[in-house]
Amino acid sequence: GNSVTQMEGPVTLSEEAFLTINCTYTATGYPSLFWYVQYPGEGLQLLLKATKADDKGSNKGFEATYRKETTSFHLEKGSVQVSDSAVYFCALSRSGGYQKVTFGTGTKLQVIP
Amino acid sequence: GAVVSQHPSWVICKSGTSVKIECRSLDFQATTMFWYRQFPKQSLMLMATSNEGSKATYEQGVEKDKFLINHASLTLSTLTVTSAHPEDSSFYICSARDVNSGRGETQYFGPGTRLLVL
Repeated sequence: GNSVTQMEGPVTLSEEAFLTINCTYTATGYPSLFWYVQYPGEGLQLLLKATKADDKGSNKGFEATYRKETTSFHLEKGSVQVSDSAVYFCALSRSGGYQKVTFGTGTKLQVIP
Repeated sequence: GAVVSQHPSWVICKSGTSVKIECRSLDFQATTMFWYRQFPKQSLMLMATSNEGSKATYEQGVEKDKFLINHASLTLSTLTVTSAHPEDSSFYICSARDVNSGRGETQYFGPGTRLLVL
């Protein structure tokens, strides 16, 4: 079956530090890949997505590249801010039809001033 | 962008009562909505897939008679927690898929409903 593995948190960084949150997946075929963010007390928001190999999703300074050869979709940001503190979920969905989304366990990021 | 709302955002109820949670897609049609449950410090657990005009599809281990789902229109799905007990206390999140979305199957999530059963 499909699965998503994320690096365990929490991750604590100083403001303006470089961020990487690793994500690898297992799936048949060519899934679509997502990063969702959950701010404290809120629901999930789509941060970025990629639908095919070598696609790069980007939003709000965050980037992730769909690497089929390594089955990875690592999230990166060059300079984090305190406002980026949240829980980040890597997820995948098989293409076609109404396929459910499989989530990773989430990685909590805390950015300190 | 696509907006999904949930109501209520917070609910506290007594053990044994039933609670209804609404999920609405505000600016798009959603033939499929999903209901998730999130435990503290854990990821989302898919409970069921709600299909407009037909019965919901429940994930293994989810009690159909306890978590009633109705998807009466293209913009509304409801989750009713029947005879709620303290162990049902959780954060319930719905999501909706835009029928017009292409490959990518982006789901748009509601803000969640926090249920506390006393």
